[in-house]
Amino acid sequence: EAGVTQSPTHLIKTRGQQATLRCSPISGHTSVYWYQQALGLGLQFLLWYDEGEERNRGNFPPRFSGRQFPNYSSELNVNALELEDSALYLCASSRTTASLGDTQYFGPGTRLTVL
Amino acid sequence: LAKTTQPISMDSYEGQEVNITCSHNNIATNDYITWYQQFPSQGPRFIIQGYKTKVTNEVASLFIPADRKSSTLSLPRVSLSDTAVYYCLVGDDNNAGNMLTFGGGTRLMVKP
Repeated sequence: EAGVTQSPTHLIKTRGQQATLRCSPISGHTSVYWYQQALGLGLQFLLWYDEGEERNRGNFPPRFSGRQFPNYSSELNVNALELEDSALYLCASSRTTASLGDTQYFGPGTRLTVL
Repeated sequence: LAKTTQPISMDSYEGQEVNITCSHNNIATNDYITWYQQFPSQGPRFIIQGYKTKVTNEVASLFIPADRKSSTLSLPRVSLSDTAVYYCLVGDDNNAGNMLTFGGGTRLMVKP
C-alpha cells in the first residue's frame, strides 16, 4: 500500500509569489491535515480537510488556504509569500478524525524556501 | 485545549531503556494518545497509540495511568538510530471540530 505522497520535494520562491503544494493521501483515507514545521521547531497545525470540506484551521493568516478534491487529494496554497514562510510543510492523512483513534500517517514533506 | 508538555531533551546510551513522559492535563474523553518519531527533514513516523492502561508493540510500550493526564513512552534497549525527536499527540476537541496539537517534542540523543 502506497503511503502519503507530496509534491514537489523542494520548492524555491521569491517573496510575494504564490506557492502550491500537493498531497495524495493513503488510499481509503478521507481526512487530510497540513502542518508547518519551521527549521528546528515543532509541528504547527495548519488545516484539516475531510470529505472535501475544510473542518478546522490553525492560527495562520488567510493567505494560507487549500482545498480537498473529490479523490481526497489536497492542495495547500500560500499567497504573498514572506521570508518566514520558509519551512517544511507536512501532509498527513487518516481514515477519519484522528482524535477518534485513527492514526495520522505523514508524507515526506515539501521544503519551501522563500528568498 | 488539550496541550501537552514534554521534556525538551534527553540523553541516553546504547542498550538502555528510555522513558519519555508527556503531560496532558486537559485530555478529552474521546482523545487517544499517539507518539511519533521524527528524523531531520523527514515526516513523523507513527510509533504507538493508546487510550488507557498499557499498549505494547514491536517498537515500544505506552503506559497511561487511570486519570489519563499523562503518558510514558518506553523504548527498550535504544540504539544510535533511535536518536530523533519524539512527539506526543493528543486529539483536541473544540466546538469547531477537532484540532490536533503536537507537543513541543523531546529530542533524544543516544550515545555510544
